[in-house]
Amino acid sequence: SQTIHQWPATLVQPVGSPLSLECTVEGTSNPNLYWYRQAAGRGLQLLFYSVGIGQISSEVPQNLSASRPQDRQFILSSKKLLLSDSGFYLCAWGLADYEQYFGPGTRLTVT
Amino acid sequence: GENVEQHPSTLSVQEGDSAVIKCTYSDSASNYFPWYKQELGKRPQLIIDIRSNVGEKKDQRIAVTLNKTAKHFSLHITETQPEDSAVYFCAVDMEYGNKLVFGAGTILRVKS
Repeated sequence: SQTIHQWPATLVQPVGSPLSLECTVEGTSNPNLYWYRQAAGRGLQLLFYSVGIGQISSEVPQNLSASRPQDRQFILSSKKLLLSDSGFYLCAWGLADYEQYFGPGTRLTVT
Repeated sequence: GENVEQHPSTLSVQEGDSAVIKCTYSDSASNYFPWYKQELGKRPQLIIDIRSNVGEKKDQRIAVTLNKTAKHFSLHITETQPEDSAVYFCAVDMEYGNKLVFGAGTILRVKS
């Protein structure tokens, strides 16, 4: 069966510091991968998605970037965090038949 | 781009009553309509979905209905229980199924 991992689970970072969140998927090949952000009490905002290695689509222009160095690895990065980057970051995977499954999430607090 | 509207934003029901949440969308090319449940502090979980070639789908106490002509679909929960309390999100596919656009969510409270 498929499993999706995210780490770290929680993170507290000062404004201006860098960020690296990692997501890996097991048990499937060539999945679509997604990064979402959810602000407190709000909906799901799609940040990036990837349909293959090195293929990244950006949904919202901001100080975040994403990379997919391996088939089942998706990384979210920032060079300098802003207060507004605080939120619940969710990685998700899906196949061509549309279902998406979310990882456990990383709760980021920028101070 | 696709626009998904979800109503109501909050819904309170008595235990045992039914709950209905409705979503409307704009892109007639959309073919896949999932519903997710998110409990406090946890990840969204896929609870039911429907594709455009089907009008209704049931799974125990939950059901989803789709009206492609009117471009809306609904989640129905019968015999609600306290553990149904959560935020529910609808979604619609776009970009040939490579993306989902989510509704803003509905907070469901089931009072016992």
